[in-house]
Amino acid sequence: AQSVAQPEDQVNVAEGNPLTVKCTYSVSGNPYLFWYVQYPNRGLQFLLKYITGDNLVKGSYGFEAEFNKSQTSFHLKKPSALVSDSALYFCAVRDMGNAGNMLTFGGGTRLMVKP
Amino acid sequence: EPEVTQTPSHQVTQMGQEVILRCVPISNHLYFYWYRQILGQKVEFLVSFYNNEISEKSEIFDDQFSVERPDGSNFTLKIRSTKLEDSAMYFCASTLGGPNTEAFFGQGTRLTVV
Repeated sequence: AQSVAQPEDQVNVAEGNPLTVKCTYSVSGNPYLFWYVQYPNRGLQFLLKYITGDNLVKGSYGFEAEFNKSQTSFHLKKPSALVSDSALYFCAVRDMGNAGNMLTFGGGTRLMVKP
Repeated sequence: EPEVTQTPSHQVTQMGQEVILRCVPISNHLYFYWYRQILGQKVEFLVSFYNNEISEKSEIFDDQFSVERPDGSNFTLKIRSTKLEDSAMYFCASTLGGPNTEAFFGQGTRLTVV
């Protein structure tokens, strides 16, 4: 079974400051990891993914995430937050051995960036 | 940029009625999915579909649910007899290929069962 935990329901950060949204995962095999963002009344938009290789992956809108196998974490980061980054962020995992390709999502973290 | 489209954006139905939610996945994608998000809760997997058959389904996807790809472009989710607890946002998604490819999601259909 695969699972994802996002320990913070909400993260508050001031514009211009760095942000981190935390994610830990559990899979039986090797993970594929993803971050999605959801704006109000919208679908999920893909931000970035970790498949293999470099532990630091870069994605859309200046976001990046660091894969840490020993801590089973995949935290989302951005060096300088924008007010427009305020949204709901979901971490998701797919087990490499999963034939159906289903994604398992975390509960989501609401990011609030204040001017 | 190609996108997944879903119709309708909002559906209100009476308990016990059948509903069909429609999706047009990205044209060259091979895997299709339905997920749902009950208000304030996490996004939950319902079913995946590949090569014209269900490849995986969750416990939520019981006999009241069915999926179809009737014409090679549309991908539908049918709920045969809706319950109040089926009220949720339903998302369709598609992927080009295997597990290392990202899923593209539609805008969702908000289903309200009254």
